[in-house]
Amino acid sequence: KQEVTQIPAALSVPEGENLVLNCSFTDSAIYNLQWFRQDPGKGLTSLLLIQSSQREQTSGRLNASLDKSSGRSTLYIAASQPGDSATYLCAALGPDFGNEKLTFGTGTRLTIIP
Amino acid sequence: ETGVTQSPTHLIKTRGQQVTLRCSSQSGHNTVSWYQQALGQGPQFIFQYYREEENGRGNFPPRFSGLQFPNYSSELNVNALELDDSALYLCASSFGNTIYFGEGSWLTVV
Repeated sequence: KQEVTQIPAALSVPEGENLVLNCSFTDSAIYNLQWFRQDPGKGLTSLLLIQSSQREQTSGRLNASLDKSSGRSTLYIAASQPGDSATYLCAALGPDFGNEKLTFGTGTRLTIIP
Repeated sequence: ETGVTQSPTHLIKTRGQQVTLRCSSQSGHNTVSWYQQALGQGPQFIFQYYREEENGRGNFPPRFSGLQFPNYSSELNVNALELDDSALYLCASSFGNTIYFGEGSWLTVV
């Protein structure tokens, strides 16, 4: 059974700093790993998706890496801004139920201090 | 814009009542999944439908049921509501291994 863990549960950093969010998963037989952002009271916004054959994906100030052998993924946010404040969730796709069940971590609540 | 719409966005029900949540996804997205997200937790997989048949279920009791229709809409039904059913319910449709989420339906059970 896949299990996904995110550490830390909460993080506060001053504006402008670079930061790393961590995600670990127990079963390396995943199809992909996805990072989501969730603002308070809102749904999920997909940030980055890394296929199992890839090592990293980049979008603007965001960079996500995937190391299947160690069961880890990181989300790197460069030059943080107050608008980055949100909860960040990682989710592994598979291996249960074919390739279409996501297993989520409990998220990291990020606060960027102006 | 994910192309997945959910309704209603917010609702309040009384313990013991029944609720139906609705989801509409894009044409061609034959798989729909439902997730429950309790406050402060990550979403938990409820079940998945493919071409109108349930083909996977998480650790949820039978009072959670669903339907998928040929027009790419779907429903989540919850009977005999309990206080712990209060959560955000998310619908997700799939095309290939890309998953698209709706904004969710907030259910409060009092």
